Amino acid sequence: KNQVEQSPQSLIILEGKNCTLQCNYTVSPFSNLRWYKQDTGRGPVSLTIMTFSENTKSNGRYTATLDADTKQSSLHITASQLSDSASYICVPPRDKLIFGTGTRLQVFP
Amino acid sequence: DVKVTQSSRYLVKRTGEKVFLECVQDMDHENMFWYRQDPGLGLRLIYFSYDVKMKEKGDIPEGYSVSREKKERFSLILESASTNQTSMYLCASSPVGYSDTQYFGPGTRLTVL
Repeated sequence: KNQVEQSPQSLIILEGKNCTLQCNYTVSPFSNLRWYKQDTGRGPVSLTIMTFSENTKSNGRYTATLDADTKQSSLHITASQLSDSASYICVPPRDKLIFGTGTRLQVFP
Repeated sequence: DVKVTQSSRYLVKRTGEKVFLECVQDMDHENMFWYRQDPGLGLRLIYFSYDVKMKEKGDIPEGYSVSREKKERFSLILESASTNQTSMYLCASSPVGYSDTQYFGPGTRLTVL
C-alpha cells in the first residue's frame, strides 16, 4: 500500500481558475511536511514547509493546509497562471523522505 | 542560491556499459542523494551520503554504486547498464538531516539501449 496518496493524478484547468490538490499519508509523523513543484524536465523545487503547529501556510498564490490528526494535506492554487503547469509532489513528515507520485497540473489559456 | 549541477541532461548508453553520473553542489551541504524517477512512481532513493566517503543504501540500490571523494561531488555508477535502468536520475543535496529541505539538480535522462 502506498504510504502517500495524491489526488487527482492529473488536472486540467483554465488560466485564472483556482484548484486544490490533495495529499493523504499513512506514515508516522516525524518532522515537517513539504510540497515540491516540479516543472517538466526539471528537478523538484521546494514550495512550502509546514510544521505540526501550522494548519495553514501561504507562499504567494499557493496555500498549503495540514491536518496532522487525519494525516491530510492540501495545496490550493489561486488565480492560476500558465507557469503553474507542473507536477506537485507531497512529501509527508518522516525520518526518511517518501515522495508522493504527484499531481500533474496543466493550465491552459 | 544553492546550485546543484549534473554532468549531463541526456545520456544514451548501450547495455553492459559502465555509466558514470556526476553531481556537484556548491553550498557545502553535508548530505547528498541520488534518486530515480519513473512515470507513475514517486522519486525513489538509490543511495545517499552524509559525509565524504560515507554512504548508505536507499530503497533501490541494486545495480548501482556511488562514490563521494569530495564533499561537493557525488557520483552514481551503473556498473553494467541494463535497459531497466532507463530513467530520469535526480541528484539532491541538503544541509543537515535526511528530512531537511532538499535541493535538486536538473536531472539526467538516461536511455539504455
